[in-house]
Amino acid sequence: GENVEQHPSTLSVQEGDSAVIKCTYSDSASNYFPWYKQELGKRPQLIIDIRSNVGEKKDQRIAVTLNKTAKHFSLHITETQPEDSAVYFCAASVQGGSEKLVFGKGMKLTVNP
Amino acid sequence: EAGVTQFPSHSVIEKGQTVTLRCDPISGHDNLYWYRRVMGKEIKFLLHFVKESKQDESGMPNNRFLAERTGGTYSTLKVQPAELEDSGVYFCASSIDPSQPQHFGDGTRLSIL
Repeated sequence: GENVEQHPSTLSVQEGDSAVIKCTYSDSASNYFPWYKQELGKRPQLIIDIRSNVGEKKDQRIAVTLNKTAKHFSLHITETQPEDSAVYFCAASVQGGSEKLVFGKGMKLTVNP
Repeated sequence: EAGVTQFPSHSVIEKGQTVTLRCDPISGHDNLYWYRRVMGKEIKFLLHFVKESKQDESGMPNNRFLAERTGGTYSTLKVQPAELEDSGVYFCASSIDPSQPQHFGDGTRLSIL
């Protein structure tokens, strides 16, 4: 079955710096890759997603890139702010197949003011 | 629009007891998913309902777990009898269509003593 690896597990940056989170997946049939942000004590919130027919997607300060050949995708956050501090999860699924999300273990991002 | 709602937010029970978790999806969402996060590990898929039918229950750990979605509205997840390893956070998510993003609830933190 699908396996999603996420790294690093923790990242600490200074406010204004950029942060990059990388994930790899094993199932070449995966075609949908969402990213969720979970603040302490709150629900996972979808922040951006990408489908396999595009290589990059951007929404204000966040962007996601996908390399299907290498089977990896990354989340980029620019101009980080303290409110970006949270746990970020990447996931993969086969749309039109099982639909279930397979998650990475999560990365705790701390943005220091 | 109300989001995905889960009850209770926290449950503490003793090993061998029974617990029932409830999830109310976003109104109109036919697809309902259960996930679980055991401490320190990734969020793992349990099962997927389409209306009242179980589309995929490949992630259910064993027959101590029973999920239902009578009438295709809210869903319950019963653990009977609970074991120590069942401790974790149980998330419910819903989507209007399998190709659309999944929206998560706040989760139920289950502690087995």
